[in-house]
Amino acid sequence: EVQLVESGGGLVRPGGSLRLSCVASEITFRSVSMNWVRQAPGKGLEWIASITSSSNKIYYADSVKGRFTISRDNAKNSLYLQMNSLRGEDTAVYYCVRFSASDYWGHGTLVTVSS
Amino acid sequence: EIVLTQSPVTLSVSPGEGATLSCRASQNIRGDLAWYQQKPGQAPRLLIYDAINRATGIPARFSGRGSGTDFTLTISSLEPEDFGVYYCQHRFNWPPGFGQGTKLEIK
Repeated sequence: EVQLVESGGGLVRPGGSLRLSCVASEITFRSVSMNWVRQAPGKGLEWIASITSSSNKIYYADSVKGRFTISRDNAKNSLYLQMNSLRGEDTAVYYCVRFSASDYWGHGTLVTVSS
Repeated sequence: EIVLTQSPVTLSVSPGEGATLSCRASQNIRGDLAWYQQKPGQAPRLLIYDAINRATGIPARFSGRGSGTDFTLTISSLEPEDFGVYYCQHRFNWPPGFGQGTKLEIK
């Protein structure tokens, strides 16, 4: 079974940066699109970024466009999210997700933006 | 951007009763809709994909219907573990947005 493990969350001041990582346990990672989805405390789910298997297509939600960068390293079965110019409203649990008929979600990593 | 509107916001149901949750899309999304269940402190769990197909391991009491703009998730006889927040998500195009959620609570 595919496992996704996120890391890199923590407390950061407004305007700061953070890089999230997600490592996949299966080699099929390199052949599938991957996504980041976040959930602010007590709020709903928000898709924020996607990247195709070869990184040739990348999509962002308007709320993070220009500040966040999604990338991947298929040799390391890893997905990344570089987050710059962080704001209080970016405080959330960030999930690494593979959408499919089976779906695979990581456990999430908490990012807190606060002074 | 496609907007998904879920109703009701909150649904109170007794164990053993049935429940129907709705999700309406702002434009035709064919059958490209998924349903998720989420419990506190957990990642969402996929229940239904392509509007009508149960994901692996999902009990038969969960069923999805609909196409185009109107979709429903029905739970035929609620078990105690079914209570939580339910989200719909479209996968028709980018961005693959979520509805705002329906909280299913014990009556």
